[in-house]
Amino acid sequence: AAGVIQSPRHLIKEKRETATLKCYPIPRHDTVYWYQQGPGQDPQFLISFYEKMQSDKGSIPDRFSAQQFSDYHSELNMSSLELGDSALYFCASSRRTSGSREDEQFFGPGTRLTVL
Amino acid sequence: AQKVTQAQTEISVVEKEDVTLDCVYETRDTTYYLFWYKQPPSGELVFLIRRNSFDEQNEISGRYSWNFQKSTSSFNFTITASQVVDSAVYFCALSEQSGNNRKLIWGLGTSLAVNP
Repeated sequence: AAGVIQSPRHLIKEKRETATLKCYPIPRHDTVYWYQQGPGQDPQFLISFYEKMQSDKGSIPDRFSAQQFSDYHSELNMSSLELGDSALYFCASSRRTSGSREDEQFFGPGTRLTVL
Repeated sequence: AQKVTQAQTEISVVEKEDVTLDCVYETRDTTYYLFWYKQPPSGELVFLIRRNSFDEQNEISGRYSWNFQKSTSSFNFTITASQVVDSAVYFCALSEQSGNNRKLIWGLGTSLAVNP
């Protein structure tokens, strides 16, 4: 079965550079979530989109922005990178239906961002 | 205030021992979902189980079992006859309504080391 795809899997950037992370949800999933997991930390919710509209915002820095495109893939844009942005970034997708599977978020493998 | 508490930061056991990972949650939602995820050293998040707040039936899946006690707001996870491959960080998560979506609130994780 198709899973959530994230690219790239690994990314190395220098301070003050920009980075773009991409997420391709499972086909027919309409909701995308972004999480940031620092070393030894639990995942922190950043932002989510439903049907290409932002639906919720968490602890996402102003230097970051995200959007969901017409094909439902999502991109997380990160500017003025700081050392503290080094983390594993997960994308998850789900499908909002009236059935019981609404809340099951399927996670991608993550993008490991290292800022030097 | 932490809404999902995993009091055990690290657990170390010897192979074939049984081990229980504790999870206590706090929510005002009458309908909510609880999850367990496994994160092996490779970093991906592996979905283990989802439990609806209306379903207090315990569940067993192979060597894994879950004990959901609504009265004590706990959702504990037991691994029977642990194996080295069970070594990972295990996260308990609570799904709560936020905007038009439900987002996952995570515990800080329990790092399980199973030694041969």
